[in-house]
Amino acid sequence: DVVLTQTPLSSPVTLGQSASISCWSSQSLVHSDGNTYLSWLHQRPGQTPRLLIYKVSYRFSEVPDRFSGSGAGTDFTLKISRVEPDDVGVYSCMQSAQFPYTFGQGTKLEI
Amino acid sequence: QVQLVQSGGGVVQPGRSLRLSCAASGFNFSVYGMHWVRRAPGKGLEWLTVISYDGSYMFYADSVKGRFTVSRDNSKNTVYLQLDGLRVGDTAVYYCVKGYSRSIDFWGQGTLVTVSS
Repeated sequence: DVVLTQTPLSSPVTLGQSASISCWSSQSLVHSDGNTYLSWLHQRPGQTPRLLIYKVSYRFSEVPDRFSGSGAGTDFTLKISRVEPDDVGVYSCMQSAQFPYTFGQGTKLEI
Repeated sequence: QVQLVQSGGGVVQPGRSLRLSCAASGFNFSVYGMHWVRRAPGKGLEWLTVISYDGSYMFYADSVKGRFTVSRDNSKNTVYLQLDGLRVGDTAVYYCVKGYSRSIDFWGQGTLVTVSS
């Protein structure tokens, strides 16, 4: 199975500043169709996860452009610009290049 | 808007069975794959299974293969997860999740399954 490792596991940030979360994969996430299947999810306290980014850098519907994803192969990053109070919670990367899909451990963003 | 309303779950003894249901609305259910994901207490998210849009193929995580069975009824816009041979380690919140572009987008509210003697 593909192992995803996130750093940091906890990230204190200041409102208005930026935050970055890294996700390293044990294997390349490039699928045979040429796409790279790495997503980012956000779960606020007491809520269900929501999709932020898919295929490395595509923002999901209604996700503000403060959120951006980048990377290739096995090394990926989520950047949050101008952090707002609603950004608190746990951010997880997920690979769907191969079954079984797997998740990173999660990164807790704290204001 | 997309809604996934889950039912089922509860407390069950080891070795027993449960069936979870997930009723979908707000999108064309019959053209999307559907997934199940769980989060055990104090642990991260664990992907369990996917069923294709037409139910013709399913894939399972090794941890549940042979014990859990995913199915769907497109006439009822509902996906199911049959949990057999439950173990204490299966205690978790279970989510049904809609597939999207080989990712997953909208999540059900989650249902707690507790396996305990």
